[in-house]
Order: sequence, then structure tokens, then C-alpha cells
Amino acid sequence: DTGVSQDPRHKITKRGQNVTFRCDPISEHNRLYWYRQTLGQGPEFLTYFQNEAQLEKSRLLSDRFSAERPKGSFSTLEIQRTEQGDSAMYLCASSLEARLAGSTDTQYFGPGTRLTVL
Amino acid sequence: GESVGLHLPTLSVQEGDNSIINCAYSNSASDYFIWYKQESGKGPQFIIDIRSNMDKRQGQRVTVLLNKTVKHLSLQIAATQPGDSAVYFCAENFPMNRDDKIIFGKGTRLHILP
Repeated sequence: DTGVSQDPRHKITKRGQNVTFRCDPISEHNRLYWYRQTLGQGPEFLTYFQNEAQLEKSRLLSDRFSAERPKGSFSTLEIQRTEQGDSAMYLCASSLEARLAGSTDTQYFGPGTRLTVL
Repeated sequence: GESVGLHLPTLSVQEGDNSIINCAYSNSASDYFIWYKQESGKGPQFIIDIRSNMDKRQGQRVTVLLNKTVKHLSLQIAATQPGDSAVYFCAENFPMNRDDKIIFGKGTRLHILP
């Protein structure tokens, strides 16, 4: 399977614990995105990488959240001191930068990591 | 505030019939639109996209229509099948967004009735 993969698929943790999620993008894609999705809502943008550089962070990303993409390939999203409000599906997407005028880079999503904070 | 929304939260269609899912967007500067399908427990799956210089685009059993005058987007699914049951999201990208960050609407749940 050459799509976007995420690990783990499910995570249950107690409030106050730290959690880390991993995303492996499609191999030739240089852009990687993290989104959060709560029940009945569309995905909300959290942060974005182009290669190893983190270029944008949403105001939804509090200082308890940190994301890295050290070698421009896989990425990790860490949540420190988890709160019940962090319970959600965390989605990763990747795309190949559109370099031709008029083209677009389509984002392809992974299966997500469902986080439950007790 | 949210710039992309949907007219109906749920839609039920008889198997074999055609379905139309609607979406309204508020940013007239949006230049790229995407429809995603999300099945339970899975991530969104790309279905079809359209740029603002087009008003119609067809795929396999799916057609996206864009009406820029009224800022309306629709997804038509022909000859619906049980596997089409899912939540469908429209998403938009506009030039003020840096780096192709797309904004999702809330989704429409499509039920295919046997």
C-alpha cells in the first residue's frame, strides 16, 4: 500500500499524559499536513510542512501541541498534558507541490488516529 | 468563521438512483474546490476537484458543478451503489490561504437505501 499511513490507529490515554502520533506520507510527496476532526465536523487544519520546514500553524495548535518532520519524510505530532477536549480524530495528509501554473496539489489523507482522553 | 457549508446534513437515496449533494461557499476569491468522501473510521478520500475557471467536471459516475455567480458547488453521483454510503465534504482553497491550506465544510451524510 503506497498511501498515507498513520500509527497508531487508536489511542486511549488518561488526562495529563503525553501522546505521540506518527504519519508516513506518500513517498514522493514533499508537503505534509495535520488536521483534527471531531464528530460531525469537517477536518480542521492544524499545521503544515514543506519538506522539513514547518511553514504554518493554526491558532488551534496550542503550546501543548508540537509537530516535527525532521528528515522531510515522516512526521510526528505530540500532545503534552492531554485534556479531554483533545479527544478527536487526528488526520494526516500529504501532497506534491504543484509547480506548473494552473495546477494544484491534491491532498491525500491517511486513515487517522482516533484519540480518546479519559 | 467557516466559509464552506452544506445545505443538508443527511440525504437518503434509493440504490440505483442519482444523488445530488450541495455545497455553498462564501469566499468569492476561492479558486479551487474539492469533494472528499469519508467512510466510517477512515480518512477523507479524494473524489473529484474543480478549478474556478471551469463550471463542470466529470469523473467516473461523479460530476462536479460549480456556479460562481451564486457561489454554489454540487456533487452528482450517478446510479448510486451501497458503497456510496458515506459522509461527503466539500472543501475550498482561496489565494489568501498560504500554501494550499484547504477549508472543509461540515459534511453531508449520504444513505443509500436498498
